[in-house]
Amino acid sequence: AAGVIQSPRHLIKEKRETATLKCYPIPRHDTVYWYQQGPGQDPQFLISFYEKMQSDKGSIPDRFSAQQFSDYHSELNMSSLELGDSALYFCASSPRTIVDRWKDYGYTFGSGTRLTVV
Amino acid sequence: AQTVTQSQPEMSVQEAETVTLSCTYDTSESNYYLFWYKQPPSRQMILVIRQEAYKQQNATENRFSVNFQKAAKSFSLKISDSQLGDTAMYFCAFMKGSYNTDKLIFGTGTRLQVFP
Repeated sequence: AAGVIQSPRHLIKEKRETATLKCYPIPRHDTVYWYQQGPGQDPQFLISFYEKMQSDKGSIPDRFSAQQFSDYHSELNMSSLELGDSALYFCASSPRTIVDRWKDYGYTFGSGTRLTVV
Repeated sequence: AQTVTQSQPEMSVQEAETVTLSCTYDTSESNYYLFWYKQPPSRQMILVIRQEAYKQQNATENRFSVNFQKAAKSFSLKISDSQLGDTAMYFCAFMKGSYNTDKLIFGTGTRLQVFP
C-alpha cells in the first residue's frame, strides 16, 4: 500500500542556509501536517494544510514557510537555518473528515527527514 | 489548551511479561480521541492503538490494550507477552474531536526496553 513519502531522508546544511523538505501524502488524503521532533523530544506540531489552504498553525518559526500544491503534496521551506533547527521533521496525511479518517486508519506518518545543521 | 503527560520516562520488562505504560491528559473537550504511537530506533511513527472518548469499551489490538478512565483522564497502555521487537519509544497522543481532522498533541514519551 502507498505510504506518505518524504524527501530527502537526510539533509545536512550549514548555518544560515536554506532547506526545502517535501511530503507526498497518501492518495485520497487531502490534509497534510508537519511536525518537528528534536533529539530526545516529543513531536511538536508546526503547521497543517487542507485543500491547499493553511488550516492550523503551531509553533512554527517565522523563518519557516510551507504550502500545499494542487496535487496535495506539501513543501516546508526553512531559511536562515540555525543549529537548533536540527531535528527530525515528520509529515503526516489524513482524509479531511473524522469519519473517513477512522475508516481508513488514516493519519499516517512518513518516515521523516532528518535535518542536521552544522 | 490540552496537555498530555507521561510520567514514566523509561520502563523495562522481561520478554513474555506484561508491562503498563501510563498516560494522563487534561482537556475541557467532551469529545476527543486518544492514541498510542510506537517509535522504534528507525524513528518511524507507528500507530499502536486508538480510542474514541465517547466509547466506554477499552480498545484492544492483539497484545495491546488500553485502560481508558475518562473521569480520571487516564489512558494507559498494557502490552502483554512482551517481545523484543516492542523495544521502542511510546508516545501517548490526544486529538480534539470534531468533524474534521486535527493536529496531534503528544506526551513526552516513555522509552520501553524489553530484555531477553
